[in-house]
Amino acid sequence: SAVISQKPSRDICQRGTSLTIQCQVDSQVTMMFWYRQQPGQSLTLIATANQGSEATYESGFVIDKFPISRPNLTFSTLTVSNMSPEDSSIYLCSARTGRNTYNEQFFGPGTRLTVL
Amino acid sequence: AQSVTQLGSHVSVSEGALVLLRCNYSSSVPPYLFWYVQYPNQGLQLLLKYTTGATLVKGINGFEAEFKKSETSFHLTKPSAHMSDAAEYFCAVSADRGSTLGRLYFGRGTQLTVWP
Repeated sequence: SAVISQKPSRDICQRGTSLTIQCQVDSQVTMMFWYRQQPGQSLTLIATANQGSEATYESGFVIDKFPISRPNLTFSTLTVSNMSPEDSSIYLCSARTGRNTYNEQFFGPGTRLTVL
Repeated sequence: AQSVTQLGSHVSVSEGALVLLRCNYSSSVPPYLFWYVQYPNQGLQLLLKYTTGATLVKGINGFEAEFKKSETSFHLTKPSAHMSDAAEYFCAVSADRGSTLGRLYFGRGTQLTVWP
């Protein structure tokens, strides 16, 4: 199993600024993922972060807006750049310990972001 | 393409009553299927999953789900609801079998309320 922590747990930011969210896993994991969760909506995958390579972004998400780092097997960051009120959401970090999709994905508690 | 439909964004039951949360999926290949639960201000937690073999899958907290290929369904049930079951439930599908870059597709979630 894996326990995931995220910092910050919540933040209120001004339009045009950037916020970096940190994700720490208590064990080495193969895959890390970043999701956005909005009320009444399904979880939306932003990108998949692999250690030592560029993140793979889903349609509608770009690296300039959501740069991701994955410096090692237990840590990743997601930056939300040049924020607007539309970026207000919960951002979830997730990790998978195995290489196959039937392996369990673990989730962090989320970062609740409000952009004014 | 894969997708998940959860019928009913809100379900209310009395304590001790049957819980039935519906999930239908579409997939071009045999899928892996998951149910996750999210308690307030917490990350998602895996309840159960179907990968292969027996189509009736038992999970934690007395929940179970049955994979019905002919109906493309994976409904979640619990014979007797408890107050502590109140949470949001997400159905997810992965059809990228064997792929290390496979991803989960989530439904919109069903909020379960349990009345005393």
